[in-house]
Amino acid sequence: EDQVTQSPEALRLQEGESSSLNCSYTVSGLRGLFWYRQDPGKGPEFLFTLYSAGEEKEKERLKATLTKKESFLHITAPKPEDSATYLCAVQGSGYSTLTFGKGTMLLVSP
Amino acid sequence: EAQVTQNPRYLITVTGKKLTVTCSQNMNHEYMSWYRQDPGLGLRQIYYSMNVEVTDKGDVPEGYKVSRKEKRNFPLILESPSPNQTSLYFCASKAGGPSYEQYFGPGTRLTVT
Repeated sequence: EDQVTQSPEALRLQEGESSSLNCSYTVSGLRGLFWYRQDPGKGPEFLFTLYSAGEEKEKERLKATLTKKESFLHITAPKPEDSATYLCAVQGSGYSTLTFGKGTMLLVSP
Repeated sequence: EAQVTQNPRYLITVTGKKLTVTCSQNMNHEYMSWYRQDPGLGLRQIYYSMNVEVTDKGDVPEGYKVSRKEKRNFPLILESPSPNQTSLYFCASKAGGPSYEQYFGPGTRLTVT
């Protein structure tokens, strides 16, 4: 059974204070690891897909990395508008089911 | 604009009164799915469909039905809703293939009293 654990559950940062969110996973035959951003009461918004260990992707202040056991979402010099819940999900070889972690709630204070 | 739409966005109903939540996508995606999101439990898959007339159970299918008669539509049916189905529901779609990302609708907040 695929499993995803995200840490920390919640993170409070000052504007400009860089940090990282962790996503640990176990999956049978990784087909993709996905990062999403979710604002309260809204649908998850796709950020990145990572396919293999060593891969990295960047978008504005966000950078996602992948190893064989975990992924990190690095946030550089965050702004208050980066406040959201960040979700990690894995797609295994079973194809049918995307397994989500419970998310990290990020609050960036001005 | 490429999007997944859901209706209604908010629904309050009573136990046992059948309801349908509609989902439509305009991206010609083969794969569609339904999730529910509950505090402390995260997103859990209810049903998915890999193409027209092909549907299968996800992790929490009890009390739900789906149908896929057209590629763009994937309605979620609650034939006899109960209070434990009070939740935030999301429809999602993606192009075929396990490595593609899913795109989510705006959500339907359902309350069953």
